[in-house]
Amino acid sequence: GAVVSQHPSRVICKSGTSVKIECRSLDFQATTMFWYRQFPKQSLMLMATSNEGSKATYEQGVEKDKFLINHASLTLSTLTVTSAHPEDSSFYICSARAVAGGLHEQFFGPGTRLTVL
Amino acid sequence: LAKTTQPISMDSYEGQEVNITCSHNNIATNDYITWYQQFPSQGPRFIIQGYKTKVTNEVASLFIPADRKSSTLSLPRVSLSDTAVYYCLVGDHSGGSQGNLIFGKGTKLSVKP
Repeated sequence: GAVVSQHPSRVICKSGTSVKIECRSLDFQATTMFWYRQFPKQSLMLMATSNEGSKATYEQGVEKDKFLINHASLTLSTLTVTSAHPEDSSFYICSARAVAGGLHEQFFGPGTRLTVL
Repeated sequence: LAKTTQPISMDSYEGQEVNITCSHNNIATNDYITWYQQFPSQGPRFIIQGYKTKVTNEVASLFIPADRKSSTLSLPRVSLSDTAVYYCLVGDHSGGSQGNLIFGKGTKLSVKP
């Protein structure tokens, strides 16, 4: 149980295009989903927190117009990187917290490797 | 959110016990301590969580002194497959905004044959 999937696992795109990454909680409902970004040899950096049916809360320094987050259901959140540029190349990881779940009840997806040429 | 400090890296050999200590001097009353493991190009995986004293599961033990200003993750008899980055996180268990997982730099454990 408690599986989080991400799609795609790897994507290569041209500069200026937009890329959508999906995060799904497969066997539980997640009121809250989180999006992280991880550059090589660095730690995970929280980008935003999204609650089902409401606007995402972005961390300081993260452009909300560039990283569009939609959390339309209790099992799906999407991150769209708009007008991607090479500096957006990174490993994007989502996590989902179960309904009424605390720290222990947060499960991570396998990540999506984005490469912008 | 309480800040955590861990060693940047550690080396060990197969079969040894590895102890990774994390400092969290500003831990709050409602905070729990959670450890995650991350392999390259994968999402973090939950290892263990505790509030005080000692917690043990099938993969690790977590030791927390009475003042809770530090914690030690103990991995018994490590193998090559335990080579990974280990993150110590401190946060509110309630699930509110304080429950967001904020990752520090982690400890890169290298297990050698």
